Amino acid sequence: AQSVAQPEDQVNVAEGNPLTVKCTYSVSENPYLFWYVQYPNRGLQFLLKYITGDNLVKGSYGFEAEFNKSQTSFHLKKPSALVSDSALYFCAVGGLTGGGNKLTFGTGTQLKVEL
Amino acid sequence: GAVVSQHPSRVICKSGTSVKIECRSLDFQATTMFWYRQFPKQSLMLMATSNEGSKATYEQGVEKDKFLINHASLTLSTLTVTSAHPEDSSFYICSASKAGKETQYFGPGTRLLVL
Repeated sequence: AQSVAQPEDQVNVAEGNPLTVKCTYSVSENPYLFWYVQYPNRGLQFLLKYITGDNLVKGSYGFEAEFNKSQTSFHLKKPSALVSDSALYFCAVGGLTGGGNKLTFGTGTQLKVEL
Repeated sequence: GAVVSQHPSRVICKSGTSVKIECRSLDFQATTMFWYRQFPKQSLMLMATSNEGSKATYEQGVEKDKFLINHASLTLSTLTVTSAHPEDSSFYICSASKAGKETQYFGPGTRLLVL
């Protein structure tokens, strides 16, 4: 069974400061890890993914995430936050099966970037 | 690329009626589509996985006779909520993935309100 945990319901950060949104995972085999962002009343937008290779993954809108196998973590980071980054962020873990890539989502972290 | 649309974006219906939600991949062929349900301020819960031309695979606890899924083509999947009741009111989101690929691309969601 696969699972993912986002320990923080909300993260507040000042604009211009670095941000981190935490995610840890549990999966029996090599994980596929994803970050998605959701704006109010909208679907999810893909930010980035880790499948294999370099542990530091760069994605959309200046976001990046680091895969840490020893700590089973995949924290989302951005060097300088923008007010427009305020949204709900979901970490997800998955793996290809015969029926496609079935994702398990974390509970989400609300990011609030203030001036 | 990888755009997914949903229609309608919002629907209000009377209790006992059926509602159909369409999910379309606009610029790619989606061999697998997924249907999720999201309650306010909660994570996405996978309802079912559908592969083109075959029956959908439902998650535990999801009534297949209530939530009818059809994936008749590589660009269209439909979810029909039959005999809808107020407890079916929710935000329904679909996603689609390409053959052999890990990333799911999400639609904008459909807000269902059953009176």
